[in-house]
Amino acid sequence: QVQLQESGPGLVKPSDTLSLTCAVSGYSISSSNWWGWIRQPPGKGLEWIGYIYYSGSTYYNPSLKSRVTMSVDTSKNQFSLKLSSVTAVDTAVYYCARVTYSSGWYQDYWGQGTLVTVSS
Amino acid sequence: QSVLTQPPSVSGAPGQRVTISCTGSSSNIGAGYDVHWYQQLPGTAPKLLIYGNSNRPSGVPDRFSGSKSGTSASLAITGLQAEDEADYYCQSYDSSLIAFGGGTKLTV
Repeated sequence: QVQLQESGPGLVKPSDTLSLTCAVSGYSISSSNWWGWIRQPPGKGLEWIGYIYYSGSTYYNPSLKSRVTMSVDTSKNQFSLKLSSVTAVDTAVYYCARVTYSSGWYQDYWGQGTLVTVSS
Repeated sequence: QSVLTQPPSVSGAPGQRVTISCTGSSSNIGAGYDVHWYQQLPGTAPKLLIYGNSNRPSGVPDRFSGSKSGTSASLAITGLQAEDEADYYCQSYDSSLIAFGGGTKLTV
């Protein structure tokens, strides 16, 4: 069974870089899937951040592209997100997910999510 | 402001049928891109409900069905149950962007 688990600091200072890791179990990250990050500000809807393939190919939300970096570590079966120059508007629950491309892109397995608060 | 528009809320009594709309445009749903639906129970992560407009993943009850026509898509839930009370999101593709609808809160 595919399982994903996010980890990282729950509190980040303004202007710093947010760093999160998603550990994947029950499935090889090197299989033919993309891997993604989606966030949800408190009380609001879902926002797509970006996708990464195990080879390192990336696909970012244009509105976040200048601040986002995603990477994959196949030896640890995990992938990561870095979001630079954060402000209060980046406060959200961040989800990692497995992405399948079949009839379009969709997330078929999700992590439980981790709340990241941006505050001094 | 999302490019996919959903009603903020819908409601129905147990046993009834409800539908949730997802209205797009010629640059997303109308361009032929598929629509996917997610269910988010309170305090939990979203769960894939429908993919490719009308396909249900294993384990999703057949009370849930999806359809697409023109620039819109719909999620229908029949035989409403109390456990269906949740937020529902549609998702599609638009101009190099994976787009989510704003979400619809279903009250049973």
